[in-house]
Amino acid sequence: SQQGEEDPQALSIQEGENATMNCSYKTSINNLQWYRQNSGRGLVHLILIRSNEREKHSGRLRVTLDTSKKSSSLLITASRAADTASYFCATDRYRGGTSYGKLTFGQGTILTVHP
Amino acid sequence: DGGITQSPKYLFRKEGQNVTLSCEQNLNHDAMYWYRQDPGQGLRLIYYSQIVNDFQKGDIAEGYSVSREKKESFPLTVTSAQKNPTAFYLCASSRADENTEAFFGQGTRLTVV
Repeated sequence: SQQGEEDPQALSIQEGENATMNCSYKTSINNLQWYRQNSGRGLVHLILIRSNEREKHSGRLRVTLDTSKKSSSLLITASRAADTASYFCATDRYRGGTSYGKLTFGQGTILTVHP
Repeated sequence: DGGITQSPKYLFRKEGQNVTLSCEQNLNHDAMYWYRQDPGQGLRLIYYSQIVNDFQKGDIAEGYSVSREKKESFPLTVTSAQKNPTAFYLCASSRADENTEAFFGQGTRLTVV
């Protein structure tokens, strides 16, 4: 089942601009994670935000989480051509026992950064 | 280097054949996962294992089988019962903890010919 819905599906910007991607989900979560995927490659973890956190930063990345609206956003500041990739949000619905780590992914946002 | 390795990178299967995708990790992770990715879509969970000799079905397990005989290895077999196996398959591993990230392999692209 696809829990996350991402918006926009595709985003095209110029180098130096900021890129914002949004993710909505349906059920309560333990944490929300963002991953990056270069074309034809595996996913790389970017950042994890716990359900009791509202904002987190990592380098040029800023993630927000609003559990009341069941939504998250990923902001990439001062984008570079090398940021061109697909970005996925994933929710961890850990309920105790052995269910941790079972991530449910959104359909992703394709980001293109033009030099 | 620590990491997770999938092989082969490309795999071609004839109709009616079973094929096995390899996934090995040296990160000492207890948990391992198999996901399927179709074009333009997110990942869907096929099977997962939190400990050696134990595994659970994910959201789309029909037509697939796995084994977890060693901590380092979690092979996925795509059986002839899987009617639409052409896809990109990703293996991942993680610590068996709350709030932990997953580490992914580089994927295997399976095509039915």
